[in-house]
Amino acid sequence: AQTVTQSQPEMSVQEAETVTLSCTYDTSESDYYLFWYKQPPSRQMILVIRQEAYKQQNATENRFSVNFQKAAKSFSLKISDSQLGDAAMYFCAYRSAVHGGSQGNLIFGKGTKLSVKP
Amino acid sequence: ETGVTQSPTHLIKTRGQQVTLRCSSQSGHNTVSWYQQALGQGPQFIFQYYREEENGRGNFPPRFSGLQFPNYSSELNVNALELDDSALYLCASSLELGSGELFFGEGSRLTVL
Repeated sequence: AQTVTQSQPEMSVQEAETVTLSCTYDTSESDYYLFWYKQPPSRQMILVIRQEAYKQQNATENRFSVNFQKAAKSFSLKISDSQLGDAAMYFCAYRSAVHGGSQGNLIFGKGTKLSVKP
Repeated sequence: ETGVTQSPTHLIKTRGQQVTLRCSSQSGHNTVSWYQQALGQGPQFIFQYYREEENGRGNFPPRFSGLQFPNYSSELNVNALELDDSALYLCASSLELGSGELFFGEGSRLTVL
């Protein structure tokens, strides 16, 4: 079974600085998706960034970028120029690319609580 | 375009009771899944529905059941509530089965006393 591990329960960053959140996963599959979701106090999970395992190029979305190391099964999130609105829980998630069945569901890590200091 | 909406946002039940949570999928989405998020944890997959049929289930007992309607809205039913069922229940929809991106609602916070 696939697992996702986030080893940093809490992180803190100064406004305008850069922070990196860690995520490792375990799978025997070769084709899958990886995601970072943000969950603010409003509770709604918001997709931050997505990476397809077959793509070697690291995904980037504005201030958010990932370092995807497939062989090491590592998927870290870098937030540049941190803003107060970035404060939230961040969840790393895995999804099999196999269609159908429970393999289509997201497997989440336990999350990292990010605080941004003004 | 309307996003995923869930109701109720909060509710309190007592042990042994039954609860129904509702979800309206994002327009055009035919796949809906439900997740349970206990306090301080990541969400855990309960089950998924595709075109009104259950299409995958996580490690949850049969007292967790669901429905998906022709308009792709969905219900999560939990019978014989236990204290450990207290959690945030999240609904997520996607455009197609196997589609990479899920769109989440704001969840229903269930407290079981």
